[in-house]
Amino acid sequence: DTAVSQTPKYLVTQMGNDKSIKCEQNLGHDTMYWYKQDSKKFLKIMFSYNNKELIINETVPNRFSPKSPDKAHLNLHINSLELGDSAVYFCASSQRQGHEQYFGPGTRLTVT
Amino acid sequence: AQKITQTQPGMFVQEKEAVTLDCTYDTSDPSYGLFWYKQPSSGEMIFLIYQGSYDQQNATEGRYSLNFQKARKSANLVISASQLGDSAMYFCAMRPLGDKLIFGTGTRLQVFP
Repeated sequence: DTAVSQTPKYLVTQMGNDKSIKCEQNLGHDTMYWYKQDSKKFLKIMFSYNNKELIINETVPNRFSPKSPDKAHLNLHINSLELGDSAVYFCASSQRQGHEQYFGPGTRLTVT
Repeated sequence: AQKITQTQPGMFVQEKEAVTLDCTYDTSDPSYGLFWYKQPSSGEMIFLIYQGSYDQQNATEGRYSLNFQKARKSANLVISASQLGDSAMYFCAMRPLGDKLIFGTGTRLQVFP
């Protein structure tokens, strides 16, 4: 009965590889987000989708491509991974006009 | 500029005591929301409390209360009767118009016996 789930929880890969992180929410929310938390614990929005439509794209390199096959899923694909992409990536969801955002458990990405 | 400032990188509190975590914000939007999240060492982000900019009363959720002072643009979190399990990073966040959350840099709270 997990509300927002992400897979995988840990991802270790080499520079130059392409990887994907999957996110699913079973809350019936309309809006989903990707956040990046860096090594200093700073959290920053990357993308937001509402009903499969991209509504926020925060100056993220175009190596990052979100995809929303339906409003319950928002996946993040990263091409040509770089060392600086190492971080924890959080998926979240909320009602469109709702208050709180519910976060997934995070995916710790390590690029070597 | 829209910004959240948390000036306390770390705080210590004794078990059963109350503690206040500071948060100030900056926005020119007339309507916004203010949030606090807890991130324990296990890494998940846990929603604690919400305050809307037009709410007249300060928000409370169990042992958590939000001391909202609109004129001062502050939204401090008060945790009463601290417990060892409250040891974690605490993030203040703002949702201005546009639906994204803007986070502060966090405060690490340590509760000691």
